Amino acid sequence: AQSVTQLGSHVSVSEGALVLLRCNYSSSVPPYLFWYVQYPNQGLQLLLKYTSAATLVKGINGFEAEFKKSETSFHLTKPSAHMSDAAEYFCAVSGAGNQFYFGTGTSLTVIP
Amino acid sequence: GAGVSQSPSNKVTEKGKDVELRCDPISGHTALYWYRQSLGQGLEFLIYFQGNSAPDKSGLPSDRFSAERTGGSVSTLTIQRTQQEDSAVYLCASSLQGAENYGYTFGSGTRLTVV
Repeated sequence: AQSVTQLGSHVSVSEGALVLLRCNYSSSVPPYLFWYVQYPNQGLQLLLKYTSAATLVKGINGFEAEFKKSETSFHLTKPSAHMSDAAEYFCAVSGAGNQFYFGTGTSLTVIP
Repeated sequence: GAGVSQSPSNKVTEKGKDVELRCDPISGHTALYWYRQSLGQGLEFLIYFQGNSAPDKSGLPSDRFSAERTGGSVSTLTIQRTQQEDSAVYLCASSLQGAENYGYTFGSGTRLTVV
């Protein structure tokens, strides 16, 4: 079975500061891991994905995430927050069979 | 089409009425999913279609919920005798075979409000 836990339902950072959104996963099979972003009144957009290639994955808008098997983590980071990064972020895990399991989301606020 | 299209974008209905939500996936995507997103909560899996296989209905919360996918393309999610707790955003997503490699492409959702 697969599941993800996102620590912190709300995160606030100052503009220009480091963004760190935490995701820990549980999987009985080698996981595929994803981060999605949801802007207000929109669907979810894929930010980046880990599919067993490089452990450091780069995505769109300057975001990246590192797969750490020993810590069962896939935290999302961005060196410098921008106002346009304010959104809801979801971590997801998938095993075989195509179904994804999503975390409860982290709402990111960027303070000017 | 270029993306996943959902209609209507907003739906307000009276308690007890039936509603139909439509999803038009990306052309060529064999897999189609329905999720429900309630306020302050994550995404709740509802149902999954893959090609001509029997759908995975394990996430449907009650027998008031049903879905079909005609011709391997458009899907309709039907909620009968709507209740206030059905109020949520209903998201549809589609993917190529092997979504674990590609991820899903989501539509913008249908916001359902039951009054």
